Amino acid sequence: DADVTQTPRNRITKTGKRIMLECSQTKGHDRMYWYRQDPGLGLRLIYYSFDVKDINKGEISDGYSVSRQAQAKFSLSLESAIPNQTALYFCATSDSGTDYNEQFFGPGTRLTVL
Amino acid sequence: GQNIDQPTEMTATEGAIVQINCTYQTSGFNGLFWYQQHAGEAPTFLSYNVLDGLEEKGRFSSFLSRSKGYSYLLLKELQMKDSASYLCAVMDSNYQLIWGAGTKLIIKP
Repeated sequence: DADVTQTPRNRITKTGKRIMLECSQTKGHDRMYWYRQDPGLGLRLIYYSFDVKDINKGEISDGYSVSRQAQAKFSLSLESAIPNQTALYFCATSDSGTDYNEQFFGPGTRLTVL
Repeated sequence: GQNIDQPTEMTATEGAIVQINCTYQTSGFNGLFWYQQHAGEAPTFLSYNVLDGLEEKGRFSSFLSRSKGYSYLLLKELQMKDSASYLCAVMDSNYQLIWGAGTKLIIKP
């Protein structure tokens, strides 16, 4: 069973549409993150949450919003999708109680905005 | 600004050794990570360094020099399955990961 799951795995949408990407985890981690990955660029942080009541903007939050519905769920919304939001989106989790605080990634959602 | 530099692509031969370098300039330092990412898949954790020196884990080793802002990942006895991108990431003073663009490693028979 996957510890970090993302739905959908692939999504094609049109400019101007609102869409939501969902992330769930069974690892019991308190921290969750949303990244996007574009060819030739490193992973870029969109939003992160250190617990249910804590939401923080990352490097590229414009055009995105998030919701931490429970410790295990963190969703990412694109209010009005545009073509340059076409990318591979990853959710990640980490445990603040560990020495490394390494991040564990979901399988990714490939989003195409036409 | 914050910056992580690593080569875009490297080629090596099956059975050989390869070293992937990473240099960084970040606001604060709380450790350096290496991740492996196969094409179209999620990154997976390989190693973590927070103190200077070499950390060895099987065929993979990672080295850190904080004074030089430098790390390398050493892969020994290369196998075809090691063909992947290798991502260097630094945890900054806000405990956020700053990621390099990744090094695509191509293994030839």
